[in-house]
Amino acid sequence: DGGITQSPKYLFRKEGQNVTLSCEQNLNHDAMYWYRQDPGQGLRLIYYSQIVNDFQKGDIAEGYSVSREKKESFPLTVTSAQKNPTAFYLCASSPRGGLYEQYFGPGTRLTVT
Amino acid sequence: QKEVEQDPGPLSVPEGAIVSLNCTYSNSAFQYFMWYRQYSRKGPELLMYTYSSGNKEDGRFTAQVDKSSKYISLFIRDSQPSDSATYLCAMSATNTGNQFYFGTGTSLTVIP
Repeated sequence: DGGITQSPKYLFRKEGQNVTLSCEQNLNHDAMYWYRQDPGQGLRLIYYSQIVNDFQKGDIAEGYSVSREKKESFPLTVTSAQKNPTAFYLCASSPRGGLYEQYFGPGTRLTVT
Repeated sequence: QKEVEQDPGPLSVPEGAIVSLNCTYSNSAFQYFMWYRQYSRKGPELLMYTYSSGNKEDGRFTAQVDKSSKYISLFIRDSQPSDSATYLCAMSATNTGNQFYFGTGTSLTVIP
């Protein structure tokens, strides 16, 4: 089955801890994205990557970091510097960035207390 | 002004009704238009993808793009309770830095 997997589905952390969200795709897509979704605010872009070892900040990158060491993997680290990290995080991929459609993973719900 | 505007609803219709969902946009360079369906606590699922203007039909779903009016629509015929979800529009262009721009979503409930 081709698709995007995100793990875990639910994640709980204490304030002050860094946490890494996993995203893997087997669609052979070049571009990968991380979004944050909060009620009433729609999707907000955190980071995106068009090729391995290259990534760009989105609209709300502060307090987050990413890596793209392999084409199929794009992990997101939520650092303790992120002021309001509790949210639903969505990973997505696209064959070639903005030229084609985008597919989403099932999401990770992060709760920080 | 937001790049993409979408009425958040909520929209409530009886089963079997025709549903019309709409988005307007400001960037005339947008060429690629998508509609997603998102169930609660799930990732968005791509429903329709169109390039430039015109109509595209897939089963009960029809996507329309009117680039002259900067307006896109998704029609759902013979709506079912299983269509109850939030619908997101999205769009992109070759000059938008490989980013996608989303509406905030319209919440739809189909009443049996």
